[in-house]
Amino acid sequence: AQTVTQSQPEMSVQEAETVTLSCTYDTSENNYYLFWYKQPPSRQMILVIRQEAYKQQNATENRFSVNFQKAAKSFSLKISDSQLGDTAMYFCAFMDSNYQLIWGAGTKLIIKP
Amino acid sequence: DTEVTQTPKHLVMGMTNKKSLKCEQHMGHRAMYWYKQKAKKPPELMFVYSYEKLSINESVPSRFSPECPNSSLLNLHLHALQPEDSALYLCASSQVGGRPQHFGDGTRLSIL
Repeated sequence: AQTVTQSQPEMSVQEAETVTLSCTYDTSENNYYLFWYKQPPSRQMILVIRQEAYKQQNATENRFSVNFQKAAKSFSLKISDSQLGDTAMYFCAFMDSNYQLIWGAGTKLIIKP
Repeated sequence: DTEVTQTPKHLVMGMTNKKSLKCEQHMGHRAMYWYKQKAKKPPELMFVYSYEKLSINESVPSRFSPECPNSSLLNLHLHALQPEDSALYLCASSQVGGRPQHFGDGTRLSIL
């Protein structure tokens, strides 16, 4: 069975700093999708970034980028120039062959002014 | 603004009540999902509808009854719920296949 591990329950950084959230996963599949979602206190789950396993190039969305290491089964999220609005729970998720999401436990990220 | 609309945003009900949660999307997505989320935990999948047919039921108790009247609407009918059912209920939709799921704001449900 696939599993997703987020080893950092909580992180805190100063505004404008760069922060990296870690995520590792376990699967025997070769083709799959990986996602990062954020959930602010307002509670809506928002897609941050998506990575297709067959693409070697790391996905980027503005200040958000991933470091996808397929062999190591690692999918970390880097947030550059962090902003107060980035404060949220961040969930890493693996999409299995049935197109269902397997979620990590989440990392609570706090951006301090 | 969210593209998946859930109503109501908050619901308080007794254990003998019957209520329904509603979810609506107009993105042309043909897969719709119900999740249950406890505080500080990831979402737990409950049901999946694909092309208006129930494709996945993750062993959810029968006191939760999903319904998909058309491709834009998804309901979750609630009856005789237990206090442990208090949670945030999230609806999501996506294109069928490996496409991202888009979530609504959720319904915060409290069972007295």
